[in-house]
Amino acid sequence: GENVEQHPSTLSVQEGDSAVIKCTYSDSASNYFPWYKQELGKRPQLIIDIRSNVGEKKDQRIAVTLNKTAKHFSLHITETQPEDSAVYFCAASRWEGGSQGNLIFGKGTKLSVKP
Amino acid sequence: EAQVTQNPRYLITVTGKKLTVTCSQNMNHEYMSWYRQDPGLGLRQIYYSMNVEVTDKGDVPEGYKVSRKEKRNFPLILESPSPNQTSLYFCASRITGLGTFLQETQYFGPGTRLLVL
Repeated sequence: GENVEQHPSTLSVQEGDSAVIKCTYSDSASNYFPWYKQELGKRPQLIIDIRSNVGEKKDQRIAVTLNKTAKHFSLHITETQPEDSAVYFCAASRWEGGSQGNLIFGKGTKLSVKP
Repeated sequence: EAQVTQNPRYLITVTGKKLTVTCSQNMNHEYMSWYRQDPGLGLRQIYYSMNVEVTDKGDVPEGYKVSRKEKRNFPLILESPSPNQTSLYFCASRITGLGTFLQETQYFGPGTRLLVL
């Protein structure tokens, strides 16, 4: 089955710097890669996702890149702000039996942005 | 407002006392799922359901039961809770995407923090 590895497990940056979180996946048939942000005491919420027919996607200060050959995808946050501090989860899924399969999550990255 | 709700949000119980955590969604989603979140282990899937009366085991189903009698509800049942089931539990839902070849957003409930003494 699919296995998703996420690195680093913790990341500390200065406000205004960029942050990069990387995930690798094992199943070459995976074709959907969402990123979730979980603030302290809150539920995970989708911040951006990418499908396998796209190499990069941006939404304001966040971007995700996908390298299907190497089976890895990354989250990039530019101009970080204290409110970006949270735990970020990557995930992957594939089509199974004609419908979307289960999301397989990485173990999470705790991002701390220091003012 | 489109949402996934869970009850209770916090629960302290004792070993062996049966409990149910309810999950409800108002988005007419076919797919629903339960996860547990533990420090350093991320989100691990307990059970999932592709539609009414269709349920299947996730990665960590031992000690849990589920049922899906109605589309909107997906309760998680702990018949005989043990201390190793102390965790933060999340329910989630989405459209299955069956036949559409679309990957749909998965929405999470607010979480239920369970302590088993």
